[in-house]
Amino acid sequence: AQTVTQSQPEMSVQEAETVTLSCTYDTSENNYYLFWYKQPPSRQMILVIRQEAYKQQNATENRFSVNFQKAAKSFSLKISDSQLGDTAMYFCAFMKHEAGNTPLVFGKGTRLSVIA
Amino acid sequence: DTGVSQNPRHKITKRGQNVTFRCDPISEHNRLYWYRQTLGQGPEFLTYFQNEAQLEKSRLLSDRFSAERPKGSFSTLEIQRTEQGDSAMYLCASSSPQDIYEQYFGPGTRLTVT
Repeated sequence: AQTVTQSQPEMSVQEAETVTLSCTYDTSENNYYLFWYKQPPSRQMILVIRQEAYKQQNATENRFSVNFQKAAKSFSLKISDSQLGDTAMYFCAFMKHEAGNTPLVFGKGTRLSVIA
Repeated sequence: DTGVSQNPRHKITKRGQNVTFRCDPISEHNRLYWYRQTLGQGPEFLTYFQNEAQLEKSRLLSDRFSAERPKGSFSTLEIQRTEQGDSAMYLCASSSPQDIYEQYFGPGTRLTVT
């Protein structure tokens, strides 16, 4: 079974600064996907960024980038130029690469507060 | 495309009552997932549909829970004889045949059992 661990329950960052959220996972799979989802207060979960395990290059999406270390089973999210709208719960998630059922396995989340 | 919708958004019920939630996935998304999220936790997988077929159920889905997707479009999740431990946010997600690895989530139904 796969597990995802987010060791930072809460973090805060000043507006315009950079913050890094940590995530580690455990799996015996070789092919899989990793995701960061954002869940703003009282709003639905949206995908921030995704990484295919077979790709060595780290994924980036505008101000969001990841540091994927496959051997260390680490998948951190860096948010640059933090904005007030980045305030949310952030969940790291794992998904096996297969054609059948592909449920997401989530960590417990990190609550990020961006301070003006 | 209006996204995944869920109804109701909030439900308060007394212990022992039955409740039913509805999820409307994005049009033409053939895969549909139900997750449960309790306070301070990440979502946990409950069950999965591909078209109208329910292909997998988590051990979290007790006999009091039943899910359907009769025409391969919307889905319902029913909880019979609710217990206080059923209080949670119930999330629905869907994905398309073109990209089965990206799931789009609905806003959830928050259930409170008193």
